[in-house]
Amino acid sequence: AQTVTQSQPEMSVQEAETVTLSCTYDTSENNYYLFWYKQPPSRQMILVIRQEAYKQQNATENRFSVNFQKAAKSFSLKISDSQLGDTAMYFCAFMKRSGATNKLIFGTGTLLAVQP
Amino acid sequence: EPEVTQTPSHQVTQMGQEVILRCVPISNHLYFYWYRQILGQKVEFLVSFYNNEISEKSEIFDDQFSVERPDGSNFTLKIRSTKLEDSAMYFCASSPVEASTEAFFGQGTRLTVV
Repeated sequence: AQTVTQSQPEMSVQEAETVTLSCTYDTSENNYYLFWYKQPPSRQMILVIRQEAYKQQNATENRFSVNFQKAAKSFSLKISDSQLGDTAMYFCAFMKRSGATNKLIFGTGTLLAVQP
Repeated sequence: EPEVTQTPSHQVTQMGQEVILRCVPISNHLYFYWYRQILGQKVEFLVSFYNNEISEKSEIFDDQFSVERPDGSNFTLKIRSTKLEDSAMYFCASSPVEASTEAFFGQGTRLTVV
């Protein structure tokens, strides 16, 4: 069974600074996807960034980038130039590529507070 | 931009009552999901649905739960006899095709069982 671990329950960063959120996972699968989802106070789940395990290049979406270390099973999220609107709960998630259902397995989340 | 919509946004029900949570997935999507998030905890997979049948369900999804796509547009989650521990945020999600890697989530329904 796959597991996703986020060891930082809460993080704080000053506006315009950079912050890194950690995520590790455990799987015996070779083909899979990893995601970071953002959940603002409105509670909606919003996809931030996606990484395909067979791609060595780290994914980047504007101010958001990941550091994907497949051998170490590590998938951290870096937020550059943090903005007040980045304040949210961030969930790391895993999906088996070969699965018929594409279900997501989530970590416990990291609550990020961006301070003015 | 197409989106997944869920109704109601908040449902309060008495313990033992039946409740139906409704979702309208994105129109050309083929895979549908329900997830649950107990307050302060992680998001957990409940069930996936494809081609008018359940394709996978978790241990949480016991006989008290059922899903249905009654009319080709709505996707519902029914809880037959609610318990206090069913209080949670319930998220519906949909994906366009089997190979799709992105699930689009609705805004959630907060269920409170009293």
